[in-house]
Amino acid sequence: DGGITQSPKYLFRKEGQNVTLSCEQNLNHDAMYWYRQDPGQGLRLIYYSQIVNDFQKGDIAEGYSVSREKKESFPLTVTSAQKNPTAFYLCASSKAGGFTDTQYFGPGTRLTVL
Amino acid sequence: GDSVTQMEGPVTLSEEAFLTINCTYTATGYPSLFWYVQYPGEGLQLLLKATKADDKGSNKGFEATYRKETTSFHLEKGSVQVSDSAVYFCALSEMDSNYQLIWGAGTKLIIKP
Repeated sequence: DGGITQSPKYLFRKEGQNVTLSCEQNLNHDAMYWYRQDPGQGLRLIYYSQIVNDFQKGDIAEGYSVSREKKESFPLTVTSAQKNPTAFYLCASSKAGGFTDTQYFGPGTRLTVL
Repeated sequence: GDSVTQMEGPVTLSEEAFLTINCTYTATGYPSLFWYVQYPGEGLQLLLKATKADDKGSNKGFEATYRKETTSFHLEKGSVQVSDSAVYFCALSEMDSNYQLIWGAGTKLIIKP
């Protein structure tokens, strides 16, 4: 079955540590996205990529970094510079990043800072 | 800039009741409009979408009509079930937002048996 996988499902981080969240898709989609969701709130865009080896900052990129070395993979690193990283992180992909395209979401990673 | 406004929740209904969740938007051009649903502890999934004025999106008994004159995309269902309990997000995408989705804050729906 085609889809998006995120791992791990739950992640605990000590203050001062960097952690990397995995996102893989086998939908052959060009565009991929990372969102942050805080309790009771909507989604905020962290980074997006419309093509391999290229990505753009979203609304809240500070303290995060990404890479897009393969079409299927778009890992997100939460660095120690992110002051309040506890949140639910969602990865998504779409066929081409056009304005009629549907975004398909992974199951999410819940990150907690201890 | 573009924005999406949804009615605040939670919305609590009894099973078989009629559902309306309001969504209005502001956009500079001609956006595409989406409703996504998030079940507890899961990612989001597309419920329905409409890409031009007067289009009606429908899926699983839910419907929404793209009303350009009122800049609205209200979600409706004639008879809700307990399994419809979830958070519903309205979103738009257009060229002026660089094709990125602009999200509403979400509306939590609780259906009681």
